[in-house]
Amino acid sequence: DAGVIQSPRHEVTEMGQEVTLRCKPISGHNSLFWYRQTMMRGLELLIYFNNNVPIDDSGMPEDRFSAKMPNASFSTLKIQPSEPRDSAVYFCASSLPFAGGNTGELFFGEGSRLTVL
Amino acid sequence: QKEVEQNSGPLSVPEGAIASLNCTYSDRVSQSFFWYRQYSGKSPELIMSIYSNGDKEDGRFTAQLNKASQYVSLLIRDSQPSDSATYLCAVKMYNQGGKLIFGQGTELSVKP
Repeated sequence: DAGVIQSPRHEVTEMGQEVTLRCKPISGHNSLFWYRQTMMRGLELLIYFNNNVPIDDSGMPEDRFSAKMPNASFSTLKIQPSEPRDSAVYFCASSLPFAGGNTGELFFGEGSRLTVL
Repeated sequence: QKEVEQNSGPLSVPEGAIASLNCTYSDRVSQSFFWYRQYSGKSPELIMSIYSNGDKEDGRFTAQLNKASQYVSLLIRDSQPSDSATYLCAVKMYNQGGKLIFGQGTELSVKP
């Protein structure tokens, strides 16, 4: 079975440019999470969706960040305009609901490494 | 106080020894706790989950939970060089809508 698929794997862009990161969750998973990982701050939750609806976006750093989930099989995280401090690895993860014997385990994609010059 | 705290390490142990990784959390009503392993340049992967006070064993790994002390740990017996990675503690925060919050991670190095 395919896992969580993220694209692009690597992105190098210049300050001020728009960046769009994409994620396809595991089929059947109804929760989707976007995390950002840096050496200084570790793994930070940016936003998560249940059944395509954003539940908590309190981790989104500022208005330059936006996320959408138009359907159960696709989500985007957009940064506009990008800044050097946005450089990080962005992970998408999905899970089944924590109920009915499911552990709520998160399955992570391979990440998108963003470098903003 | 951070919501989930771990010693950043690095923790260095000789091959065959027991590695002990610790984590404390702030949300008293949390019920679900997870340990993830992350190799350098890779994504986190689940090792153990624990929900009840006490110990839970899976092969060489034992997770320990003490809700009264808001403390969860991971023991790795007979440590192998292949266990060298960063170990992330994660807590499902029920006072924050159930979102999963990760600690900073502890880097473990197992020396042959």
